[in-house]
Amino acid sequence: DQQVKQNSPSLSVQEGRISILNCDYTNSMFDYFLWYKKYPAEGPTFLISISSIKDKNEDGRFTVFLNKSAKHLSLHIVPSQPGDSAVYFCAASVSGGYQKVTFGTGTKLQVIP
Amino acid sequence: DAGVTQSPTHLIKTRGQQVTLRCSPKSGHDTVSWYQQALGQGPQFIFQYYEEEERQRGNFPDRFSGHQFPNYSSELNVNALLLGDSALYLCASSLGVGNVGEKLFFGSGTQLSVL
Repeated sequence: DQQVKQNSPSLSVQEGRISILNCDYTNSMFDYFLWYKKYPAEGPTFLISISSIKDKNEDGRFTVFLNKSAKHLSLHIVPSQPGDSAVYFCAASVSGGYQKVTFGTGTKLQVIP
Repeated sequence: DAGVTQSPTHLIKTRGQQVTLRCSPKSGHDTVSWYQQALGQGPQFIFQYYEEEERQRGNFPDRFSGHQFPNYSSELNVNALLLGDSALYLCASSLGVGNVGEKLFFGSGTQLSVL
């Protein structure tokens, strides 16, 4: 049972344009959501997160939007840069307990110069 | 400041064998979690160790076991290897068990191939 879903395995965007990565979840217990970025031969690195009490969190070029009623979140990257090319994982967890993080299958972003 | 280190980086085993993977957490961290990332999939939580005890476990069989040492390093053991155990095994460390994942630091992983 895939509780966190990323339905787009890949995405190509021109440099300078907006990248939008989408994620859906099914478990209503999730109340904290994260995005990780992974380069080849490296482990995932934390990028940005959002609590379920918010609907938007911004950090520089990265913004995460959360729609709880739709159980949907998205990551916006503006403007996209070639160095952003990586696999992006959406993830979710339940706060207040042990930090089991449930990951999606990832979206490979390619930013074309 | 050394980050999370894992060894070995690559490993080839045959079905039925046993394997031990090792992880040293980031300096100052006391909690270690293990994840399995199969090809084309996201990382899946195996278990977490804190204070030398398994604190939480994902949906993995008992063939998967672990250990945490007093210096906070950890081992992941897999017995009776199956072809389906072929994956990248990631170790993640953090300080304490109460946060929600944004303080997880991952190692580069051990690529296990079972033939």
